[in-house]
Amino acid sequence: DADVTQTPRNRITKTGKRIMLECSQTKGHDRMYWYRQDPGLGLRLIYYSFDVKDINKGEISDGYSVSRQAQAKFSLSLESAIPNQTALYFCATSTIGTGSVHEQYFGPGTRLTVT
Amino acid sequence: QQPVQSPQAVILREGEDAVINCSSSKALYSVHWYRQKHGEAPVFLMILLKGGEQKGHDKISASFNEKKQQSSLYLTASQLSYSGTYFCGTRYSSNTGKLIFGQGTTLQVKP
Repeated sequence: DADVTQTPRNRITKTGKRIMLECSQTKGHDRMYWYRQDPGLGLRLIYYSFDVKDINKGEISDGYSVSRQAQAKFSLSLESAIPNQTALYFCATSTIGTGSVHEQYFGPGTRLTVT
Repeated sequence: QQPVQSPQAVILREGEDAVINCSSSKALYSVHWYRQKHGEAPVFLMILLKGGEQKGHDKISASFNEKKQQSSLYLTASQLSYSGTYFCGTRYSSNTGKLIFGQGTTLQVKP
């Protein structure tokens, strides 16, 4: 079974609709992240959370919100989807390892299309 | 703050070498390298810490030049399996666990 799972894997929605992307992990990691990937722009950080009570904005948080329901679950919401939010979304997890290595483990991604 | 990767794309023949650079305008604490194969999630390759040694992973190695605030990824004797997009992720202090990723370098290895 995958350690980091994302649902749905693909979603097509209309402009103005509310949508939630979910991420679950069985790695026991305390840190979770949401990124979006667009061609030529790399991976851009939307929000991140270092524990259940800690939520931080990333570089491109406008138009998004998150919820950390439990250590293992981190959800990303688009309150009113717009076409330029069409992208591939990745969830990732990490924890402090040996030598303070923060290796991140990525989920399989959610491809979101807003029409 | 996003680090800049160069080149944007590379096409190689099997057995050839390549270098991918990651440059920052801000002082770096660490650089993390990831590879993403087509249709898959990014996968961690290695981390370079400030003051640390050059790292290696099979025939892939990397270095960290503190003076230039730059990291370079070296792919030696490329294999078909090296094809994909390479990302550097940068941390600017030991207090933060978040990474800022570059825009990626697409590497295609041909037979």
